[in-house]
Amino acid sequence: DADVTQTPRNRITKTGKRIMLECSQTKGHDRMYWYRQDPGLGLRLIYYSFDVKDINKGEISDGYSVSRQAQAKFSLSLESAIPNQTALYFCATSATGSYLHFGNGTRLTVT
Amino acid sequence: RKEVEQDPGPFNVPEGATVAFNCTYSNSASQSFFWYRQDCRKEPKLLMSVYSSGNEDGRFTAQLNRASQYISLLIRDSKLSDSATYLCVVILPPNRGGSYIPTFGRGTSLIVHP
Repeated sequence: DADVTQTPRNRITKTGKRIMLECSQTKGHDRMYWYRQDPGLGLRLIYYSFDVKDINKGEISDGYSVSRQAQAKFSLSLESAIPNQTALYFCATSATGSYLHFGNGTRLTVT
Repeated sequence: RKEVEQDPGPFNVPEGATVAFNCTYSNSASQSFFWYRQDCRKEPKLLMSVYSSGNEDGRFTAQLNRASQYISLLIRDSKLSDSATYLCVVILPPNRGGSYIPTFGRGTSLIVHP
């Protein structure tokens, strides 16, 4: 079983719809992150959390929200999806000061 | 200026070649440094951590130069299977309060051809 699991793997949705991406981990890490990847732009940080109910904005948080109700789960929501949110989304976890462990990504298309 | 910068390439090299990538970072107070490998549409995977003393793992060698604020990755005897995007990650200090967070370069594309 994967240590960091993202659901769904692929999602196609329409403009204006609300959508939630889920991330769960079995690594016992306190730190969890959501990144977005676009061609040529690398991975950009959306939100991160260092503990339950700790929420911090990243580089590109506008249009997104997150929830961290349990150590093992960190969900990302798009309240009203728009086409330029079409991207590959990655969840990651880490121990303090250590490297990131990634989920296998969610490919989101907004039409 | 972006906080973590990489030459996007692509670096197009023949099998058996030696190739090196650099990654520069803007903040001298940066902490940990890592190299990741990413295959097309897959998740990034840790290749190696980077230390001031340098570290080697088989054909791969990573170095950190704090004085010039860059890290490097050297790949010797390139294989076809080394074709991928190589991402550097720097744990950057916060701009205004907050915590150190991992920040990615845009990645360097490597293509190894027969």
